Amino acid sequence: DAGVTQSPTHLIKTRGQQVTLRCSPKSGHDTVSWYQQALGQGPQFIFQYYEEEERQRGNFPDRFSGHQFPNYSSELNVNALLLGDSALYLCASSLPAWAPQKNTGELFFGEGSRLTVL
Amino acid sequence: GNSVTQMEGPVTLSEEAFLTINCTYTATGYPSLFWYVQYPGEGLQLLLKATKADDKGSNKGFEATYRKETTSFHLEKGSVQVSDSAVYFCALSPMGANSKLTFGKGITLSVRP
Repeated sequence: DAGVTQSPTHLIKTRGQQVTLRCSPKSGHDTVSWYQQALGQGPQFIFQYYEEEERQRGNFPDRFSGHQFPNYSSELNVNALLLGDSALYLCASSLPAWAPQKNTGELFFGEGSRLTVL
Repeated sequence: GNSVTQMEGPVTLSEEAFLTINCTYTATGYPSLFWYVQYPGEGLQLLLKATKADDKGSNKGFEATYRKETTSFHLEKGSVQVSDSAVYFCALSPMGANSKLTFGKGITLSVRP
């Protein structure tokens, strides 16, 4: 059973460029969340997608946008990149609403995409 | 707003030593509390959780008790192993289920043979 997979694992961009990161959730999961983890910091919540809609959003500017596809996979897009966007971007998935384990709150994380902005 | 505060690291221990990693939180209502662990080269994974006051989460010899009176969720292990070397994150979820997590900064634990 594949876990959460993310691509690419590493990428380098320059200021002002745009980037798209991709995530495939764990099999059977329908909810995807994205987190930004700066060096030496804990992950910070960007947004969450369920049923192809953004359901919750953290304190991130509109330059950060996302999408969820019918197969539950997701993309994170960042426009007009800044040096401060350099970070590890984590995708996490979780169980469907009807699953009895839903209320555990457990998220399953991918290994992340490390973005460097020069 | 919600916040999680972890003790400053890094922490270096000898094998079989006792481990305590402090975590306190600020939140309204009754959040769920979690410890996540990040082993070298791997993604974050749930170590243990507690969803209500006085609950004790446990896994792999680690334990943490949800203390509402002190707003704490300290992680303990009686005898650490080299394989426990990792980064440990305390986190909370305000609604307890499938909700956004607020993480602490994390603490790096290194265990010497």
